[in-house]
Amino acid sequence: QQQVKQSPQSLIVQKGGIPIINCAYENTAFDYFPWYQQFPGKGPALLIAIRPDVSEKKEGRFTISFNKSAKQFSLHIMDSQPGDSATYFCAATAGTASKLTFGTGTRLQVTL
Amino acid sequence: DSGVTQTPKHLITATGQRVTLRCSPRSGDLSVYWYQQSLDQGLQFLIQYYNGEERAKGNILERFSAQQFPDLHSELNLSSLELGDSALYFCASSPRRSDYGYTFGSGTRLTVV
Repeated sequence: QQQVKQSPQSLIVQKGGIPIINCAYENTAFDYFPWYQQFPGKGPALLIAIRPDVSEKKEGRFTISFNKSAKQFSLHIMDSQPGDSATYFCAATAGTASKLTFGTGTRLQVTL
Repeated sequence: DSGVTQTPKHLITATGQRVTLRCSPRSGDLSVYWYQQSLDQGLQFLIQYYNGEERAKGNILERFSAQQFPDLHSELNLSSLELGDSALYFCASSPRRSDYGYTFGSGTRLTVV
């Protein structure tokens, strides 16, 4: 029940495309859903996050869509650029637990 | 630079040995978290310390231990190392006892041969 399932495992899109990464969870106690971006040789960096009381959040070219009833959330990257090539992780946490449960990651490659 | 400093960046050691990974949190952060990232398990939470005290424990093996010192830096001790312990070990820090977002360091890559 603690798992967060992420798909796809890898994704290749052309520059300007809109890659979509999906995550699903089971634990209804989760109340914060962040996305992290990780470049090779670096630690994960917080990209954007959402709480279950909203269905969508946008920050620049990054958008999270949240479906509470389906227990699913997704990351959309608008007008993707080669510099967006990285591994993306969804995560979830509950209450004041602080512990993040991560998805398995999606390796995104944006080609010219 | 995230402000979270981890040393060493790389470590190669033999099975059965013991190693210590060090983490200095961002200035002002009181919580330190340790995560293990392996190819087959993804990012797994190991343990959290807040202001010197253990606050939360995840899937940390008994061969592993951690502590946070009065100057707030933290050390993760891994003993009786096995090949399967080869992984990236990340430290993260946050200001409070309970935070929804925190800052990761660049990690220590441990290779056990």
